[in-house]
Amino acid sequence: EAGVTQFPSHSVIEKGQTVTLRCDPISGHDNLYWYRRVMGKEIKFLLHFVKESKQDESGMPNNRFLAERTGGTYSTLKVQPAELEDSGVYFCASSQGGPGNGYTFGSGTRLTVV
Amino acid sequence: QKEVEQNSGPLSVPEGAIASLNCTYSDRGSQSFFWYRQYSGKSPELIMSIYSNGDKEDGRFTAQLNKASQYVSLLIRDSQPSDSATYLCAGTRAGNNRKLIWGLGTSLAVNP
Repeated sequence: EAGVTQFPSHSVIEKGQTVTLRCDPISGHDNLYWYRRVMGKEIKFLLHFVKESKQDESGMPNNRFLAERTGGTYSTLKVQPAELEDSGVYFCASSQGGPGNGYTFGSGTRLTVV
Repeated sequence: QKEVEQNSGPLSVPEGAIASLNCTYSDRGSQSFFWYRQYSGKSPELIMSIYSNGDKEDGRFTAQLNKASQYVSLLIRDSQPSDSATYLCAGTRAGNNRKLIWGLGTSLAVNP
């Protein structure tokens, strides 16, 4: 079974530019989550999709962040325009149920905004 | 006050010893708790989940939950150098069992 795939693995962009992160969950997993870890801080929840619907987007920092999940398959997270404080590692995870059913994390995208 | 607190360490133990990792949480209504291990540059991987007061054992790992004291711990018996990693404690909030609230993580070093 293929795992959760994220790309790019690294991205360095200038402040003001746009970046799009992609996550391909495990096939058949209805639940898809985005989390972010800023250096020196805890991992923070961003949002949760069930299939193509946003179930909870309470963690999205502001309207510069836009997440989509096309047809309930892969998801994208766009940051536009990027700011310095957006730097961090963005993790995607998928599961068939809640976290107790086994979140599987992707390897993350390390975003650096300069 | 952080919702989930962990001592950042580093915690250093000799090979073969018991490593004890601790976590406290502030939401008394939290129901579910998880321990994840994260190697440097890698993604977190689930080690244990625990939902009820008491101990839960899986191989060399034992998770302990005390809801009255709002305390979760992870014991690693017969620690191996390959156990050296950051251990992350996470819990769910009351009324929302889908998103995880994370601690900062405790860095563990097992010395040969």
